[in-house]
Amino acid sequence: GAVVSQHPSRVICKSGTSVKIECRSLDFQATTMFWYRQFPKQSLMLMATSNEGSKATYEQGVEKDKFLINHASLTLSTLTVTSAHPEDSSFYICSADKQGNEQFFGPGTRLTVL
Amino acid sequence: QKEVEQDPGPLSVPEGAIVSLNCTYSNSAFQYFMWYRQYSRKGPELLMYTYSSGNKEDGRFTAQVDKSSKYISLFIRDSQPSDSATYLCAMSESGSEKLVFGKGTKLTVNP
Repeated sequence: GAVVSQHPSRVICKSGTSVKIECRSLDFQATTMFWYRQFPKQSLMLMATSNEGSKATYEQGVEKDKFLINHASLTLSTLTVTSAHPEDSSFYICSADKQGNEQFFGPGTRLTVL
Repeated sequence: QKEVEQDPGPLSVPEGAIVSLNCTYSNSAFQYFMWYRQYSRKGPELLMYTYSSGNKEDGRFTAQVDKSSKYISLFIRDSQPSDSATYLCAMSESGSEKLVFGKGTKLTVNP
């Protein structure tokens, strides 16, 4: 199988707080994981590529100091949204690369910033 | 022109119909082509994965890639209400792990 989990599935926080989202590959190891955000009725937009043991690669326009990514092990990557604001409210989805070019997605995390 | 174009629909069909979904793209370097199904408020689920041109069949699903026309399709036979979801095409270049997605087509199969 190829199962990817995310935690939490839903989070509501106050403006100015930081939120951490975990992405785990449960039955395989992933040297590369990806973080996406998806607005309603829009496609997935790649935010960053997370590589185990090295710094993440951010897409143009994504603030690396705001969206902190840590890929501490072959099965875990975390995304921390720092000093969250209402415009950061979105659906955040991670994926893990199993065999190169084949990505398996987590169930997503719905972030609402009040 | 966007790299990947996909008609967002919505597309509504009766149960049992054959559904045709498609995407066009502009980057001739794309070699890997995928179709994902995404239910509301869930992460995308990989349905079909093909390399280069040709057809691939899996149960009721058939994926076709025509690289000469830069056109890919997903066919769903004997569609079921449980197929109601948003279908996203995605593609990548050889040697790149970065996926480029279409906007997704929202499909509703009516009982």
